[in-house]
Amino acid sequence: GENVEQHPSTLSVQEGDSAVIKCTYSDSASNYFPWYKQELGKGPQLIIDIRSNVGEKKDQRIAVTLNKTAKHFSLHITETQPEDSAVYFCAAILNSGGYQKVTFGTGTKLQVIP
Amino acid sequence: DSGVTQTPKHLITATGQRVTLRCSPRSGDLSVYWYQQSLDQGLQFLIQYYNGEERAKGNILERFSAQQFPDLHSELNLSSLELGDSALYFCASSIRGQITEAFFGQGTRLTVV
Repeated sequence: GENVEQHPSTLSVQEGDSAVIKCTYSDSASNYFPWYKQELGKGPQLIIDIRSNVGEKKDQRIAVTLNKTAKHFSLHITETQPEDSAVYFCAAILNSGGYQKVTFGTGTKLQVIP
Repeated sequence: DSGVTQTPKHLITATGQRVTLRCSPRSGDLSVYWYQQSLDQGLQFLIQYYNGEERAKGNILERFSAQQFPDLHSELNLSSLELGDSALYFCASSIRGQITEAFFGQGTRLTVV
């Protein structure tokens, strides 16, 4: 089955600095890679995603890159703000017709220090 | 507020007992997903329903079962509870059956003592 590894498990950055979180996956058939942000007491919220036929995607201060050959993808947050503090999860999804299988990473607790 | 409503928010029960968690999806959403989040296992996908029928199954134990009713609300039934079942249980919903479009509820925190 799919295995997703996520690093680091915790990350502290100064406000305004960049943060990078990395995930690797094992199943080359996975074709969709979302990132979720989970704030305390809330459910995960999709913040950005990338499909296997795309190498990079950007949405304002957030970007995701995918290297299919190496089977790894990364979340980049620039100009971090205190409200970016949360737990971030990556996931690898195999989406084929009506069949879907999702495997999550173990999460990264990001702390942005004002 | 995602529009997905889960009840109860907190639940404390004893080992061996059975509980039912309830989820009301966003208005218009046909698909419901259940997830378990624990310290040991992390975030895991359990099961998905679409318009009343099971669509996908993840790491759901045989002691657990779910269903989606004609009004599209869903229930997750957990039986013969063990200490290790203590976790946050999230429900998510989407208009179509695409897991990538799902919005999460705030979860039910289950504590088994």
